[in-house]
Amino acid sequence: AQRVTQPEKLLSVFKGAPVELKCNYSYSGSPELFWYVQYSRQRLQLLLRHISRESIKGFTADLNKGETSFHLKKPFAQEEDSAMYYCALSENYGQNFVFGPGTRLSVLP
Amino acid sequence: GAGVSQSPSNKVTEKGKDVELRCDPISGHTALYWYRQSLGQGLEFLIYFQGNSAPDKSGLPSDRFSAERTGGSVSTLTIQRTQQEDSAVYLCASSLVGRSSYNEQFFGPGTRLTVL
Repeated sequence: AQRVTQPEKLLSVFKGAPVELKCNYSYSGSPELFWYVQYSRQRLQLLLRHISRESIKGFTADLNKGETSFHLKKPFAQEEDSAMYYCALSENYGQNFVFGPGTRLSVLP
Repeated sequence: GAGVSQSPSNKVTEKGKDVELRCDPISGHTALYWYRQSLGQGLEFLIYFQGNSAPDKSGLPSDRFSAERTGGSVSTLTIQRTQQEDSAVYLCASSLVGRSSYNEQFFGPGTRLTVL
């Protein structure tokens, strides 16, 4: 069974619309969760991590332990946000990382 | 200030041959990770090194896969007797030592392996 799920393979929104990329996880310990992004022809890179409680490029993600979710949100999508987004869970303090299957976000003009 | 590098960038091989994939992490990064990304699939975690040691090798898909790291730096992922299902992009990442939450993984460009 997948420990990190991202139900949407593809998500299309119009520029300026809100966007939410869903991520649910299954882990019995204290989770460490991340969002990684891969823009076209670029390397996979960290977008944000739950422990930092930061906002990067207008994106935020809140860890909801009750719902075991870590959804990524942005109030106003931009065309440059189009990319592949991966939710990831770290186990054993970084000794094992589990990535979700990814969601391809397409922001239409 | 070079990032993580991987070589070769592309590798085409025949079924049954052995291949070696190389990863050069960022200087000073003691943690190193290998992942596999198959077509249409997400990232599959393969193995993690802290220094030269890999505490858990259970993520490797089969005993045809092995990895080593020498001098706390360069790592090699070896696939013996390659099969067509081994075709994928193999990604390497490195990070500083310490708790994962504070240590960002920096990814290499990947090696695209095609087994004919």
